[in-house]
Amino acid sequence: AIQMTQSPSSLSASVGDRVTITCRASQDIRNELRWYQQKPGKAPKLLIYASFRLESGVPSRFSGSGSGTDFTLTLSSLQPEDFATYYCLQDYNYPRTFGQGTKVEI
Amino acid sequence: QMQLVESGGGLVKPGGSLRLSCAASGFTFSDYFMNWIRQAPGKGLEWISDISSRGTTIHYADSAKGRFTISRDNAKNSLYLQMNGLRAEDTAVYYCAREHSGFDLWGQGTMVTVSS
Repeated sequence: AIQMTQSPSSLSASVGDRVTITCRASQDIRNELRWYQQKPGKAPKLLIYASFRLESGVPSRFSGSGSGTDFTLTLSSLQPEDFATYYCLQDYNYPRTFGQGTKVEI
Repeated sequence: QMQLVESGGGLVKPGGSLRLSCAASGFTFSDYFMNWIRQAPGKGLEWISDISSRGTTIHYADSAKGRFTISRDNAKNSLYLQMNGLRAEDTAVYYCAREHSGFDLWGQGTMVTVSS
């Protein structure tokens, strides 16, 4: 199975900060990478698919980049509602695998 | 309004069985691949299984192979997960999720607790 490694596991930031989360795949997954946001007690929400395509309704302060093995999720200006845990997921092959998550805290 | 609602979770003893259901509404269920994803308490997300729109293609995570069976009834707009031989490590919230460009619609989850 493809291993997905996120970094950092957690980070502290302030409103207005630029935040970057990385995800590394154990093998080439082309651009088959998605990003999800999860708030406590809630189901995850799709943010980005195909590495950089923004899901409908997701604010443009979220962006994704990367291909091959290295990927990045960037929040250009952190808002109060963005404090959450973020997960990457590879859908290049089965079994699909998530990263371990990155908790963005105040 | 598009919605997925899971049910069927609960407390079960190790070695026991449960059947989870996911009721879909507000969209054409038979057009979409569907997935089960779980999250153990305080842990990350784990993809478990998916099934094609007509139910002809199925995949499982290694943790589910041989014990879990995914199925669907498009006439009833429902997705199922039959779980046998449950273990303590299967304790988690189980989500069903629709697949479009990604898992774009999720249910609220149903809790499964495996304990004696």
